[in-house]
Amino acid sequence: KAGVTQTPRYLIKTRGQQVTLSCSPISGHRSVSWYQQTPGQGLQFLFEYFSETQRNKGNFPGRFSGRQFSNSRSEMNVSTLELGDSALYLCASSTNREGYAFFGQGTRLTVV
Amino acid sequence: AQKVTQAQTEISVVEKEDVTLDCVYETRDTTYYLFWYKQPPSGELVFLIRRNSFDEQNEISGRYSWNFQKSTSSFNFTITASQVVDSAVYFCALSDKGGGGTSYGKLTFGQGTILTVHP
Repeated sequence: KAGVTQTPRYLIKTRGQQVTLSCSPISGHRSVSWYQQTPGQGLQFLFEYFSETQRNKGNFPGRFSGRQFSNSRSEMNVSTLELGDSALYLCASSTNREGYAFFGQGTRLTVV
Repeated sequence: AQKVTQAQTEISVVEKEDVTLDCVYETRDTTYYLFWYKQPPSGELVFLIRRNSFDEQNEISGRYSWNFQKSTSSFNFTITASQVVDSAVYFCALSDKGGGGTSYGKLTFGQGTILTVHP
């Protein structure tokens, strides 16, 4: 079956702009989570959506937001980009059945 | 709050050596789940193993084995007879499987251990 798909794979944005990243989970998975990975802070949890509702949120400013659609696809948005937002953004989907979260290949965002 | 510590930042071994990656965790939950993931240069996190807090039996799966000790809050991972293809960043992660037990949507990761296996 198809894995978790993230688009785009690479993005370059200018400070102050906003960006939207997309994630398509594995078919049948209703939970989608987002993580930020940076060399300094490592892998940090952003938020989780389940059946279109945000279920958990990490310790990130309000500039980071997300949503989930009825087909479980998810988007995350970062407004007013800062240089420190440059990171690999990973999406994961999961369900009780498999017993673990599946990750996409990530979107590498560079803010200049 | 949950916390995962991987004290080893980098490990370098020669092919066919055994290598153990250490992981120590903190949680107030009585039921929790521990994972090891591998991240190759492509960026995708690849699931390796999972252990439930209520099952302390240690197992071997191919070249992988793990040692879960609840008394010391440790979940160490061993690769036997390492190979060059094992070179990657390895992450230990912890989940309380929130949301009514329907997913593993919130993972707390350690800082990762860079493993380099030389031919």
